[in-house]
Amino acid sequence: DVKVTQSSRYLVKRTGEKVFLECVQDMDHENMFWYRQDPGLGLRLIYFSYDVKMKEKGDIPEGYSVSREKKERFSLILESASTNQTSMYLCASSQSSGMGTDTQYFGPGTRLTVL
Amino acid sequence: EDQVTQSPEALRLQEGESSSLNCSYTVSGLRGLFWYRQDPGKGPEFLFTLYSAGEEKEKERLKATLTKKESFLHITAPKPEDSATYLCAVLLESWGKLQFGAGTQVVVTP
Repeated sequence: DVKVTQSSRYLVKRTGEKVFLECVQDMDHENMFWYRQDPGLGLRLIYFSYDVKMKEKGDIPEGYSVSREKKERFSLILESASTNQTSMYLCASSQSSGMGTDTQYFGPGTRLTVL
Repeated sequence: EDQVTQSPEALRLQEGESSSLNCSYTVSGLRGLFWYRQDPGKGPEFLFTLYSAGEEKEKERLKATLTKKESFLHITAPKPEDSATYLCAVLLESWGKLQFGAGTQVVVTP
């Protein structure tokens, strides 16, 4: 079974704090993704990575950065948290087959509240 | 602009009352269509992938179908444990990005 884990289920931070969200997958997947999910807006891609130390911007990268130092781990960083970053954050991973059709498997999510 | 639209937004069913969810898409190039189930406060759980028009996939009480413009998720004789939000996503041609719909929230009452 594919397993994607996220470091926290719930997180409460204050405006201006630096926030780290960690994601680990145990299936040796090349691709990893960070999304945020907000009511009525669906899932929106923040960043993705197709290899160690490689990263690409998604649809809404502003205010976020990422780090991928090891294949199994993908971190999302909020440099200076703001209230509009209160959201559910979801990490996903997928195998790269060259056909680009592989399933993304999701972690349980981190519900972040910024006060 | 690539768009994925799911309807209805919410669906309330009696146990045993079959129904269908719709996912319509307008995308420049479709490489695949995915269905996920999401329970409250949890991450999406993969259900099906469909790659070409006419394809069908089944799992227990769920059946997914695909045409050139839309996909349907049929729920046959649903049970309360089928209550969840069902998400549809299309895999775009450009670099493998997933474009998600907003989801259909299904509630099945005994």
